[in-house]
Amino acid sequence: GENVEQHPSTLSVQEGDSAVIKCTYSDSASNYFPWYKQELGKGPQLIIDIRSNVGEKKDQRIAVTLNKTAKHFSLHITETQPEDSAVYFCAATFRTDKLIFGTGTRLQVFP
Amino acid sequence: DAGVIQSPRHEVTEMGQEVTLRCKPISGHDYLFWYRQTMMRGLELLIYFNNNVPIDDSGMPEDRFSAKMPNASFSTLKIQPSEPRDSAVYFCASSGGQGRDDTQYFGPGTRLTVL
Repeated sequence: GENVEQHPSTLSVQEGDSAVIKCTYSDSASNYFPWYKQELGKGPQLIIDIRSNVGEKKDQRIAVTLNKTAKHFSLHITETQPEDSAVYFCAATFRTDKLIFGTGTRLQVFP
Repeated sequence: DAGVIQSPRHEVTEMGQEVTLRCKPISGHDYLFWYRQTMMRGLELLIYFNNNVPIDDSGMPEDRFSAKMPNASFSTLKIQPSEPRDSAVYFCASSGGQGRDDTQYFGPGTRLTVL
């Protein structure tokens, strides 16, 4: 069945430290893995994505890694800032057009 | 582009009343998705359309929920009759489809409260 597991559910870090959020997926045919950031009172916003033909992608302080064999992918945020505080969701495609979302990680960055 | 537009932003209604949520996707996008977000169940896909045709409605909780997309620029999600357990934030998202930009862009959501 379709399933994306996300850990941890909450994460607290000191400003400047790194944060890592991990996800696993069940459908070996999944080929697109986006990460969304949701701030309070707003809709989820895409921050980075990766496709199955790539193992790693980086955009400034944010990076995503993908291990297709293990069906794992992770979000890495370096040099965290208070404005990084939000809920982060991973997702994976299921049957091409459908996205299945993880349960979310609430990240708090303390100054 | 103004992004995905949803209305109303907040809706408070009484149990048994009909509720209609509205969505305008990003122009040119041919996929439209309706999601529901609650603390207990997270972000759930309810239904999605491709070229105005419903493709998968397996996430629609029950017959009280219905969705339509009469044209490429408008969709509705209707709940009739509404119940307190329908209280949630409902999001609409649109995308350009596989092979093009399959990023889903979310609207700001409609917060529904059923008393």
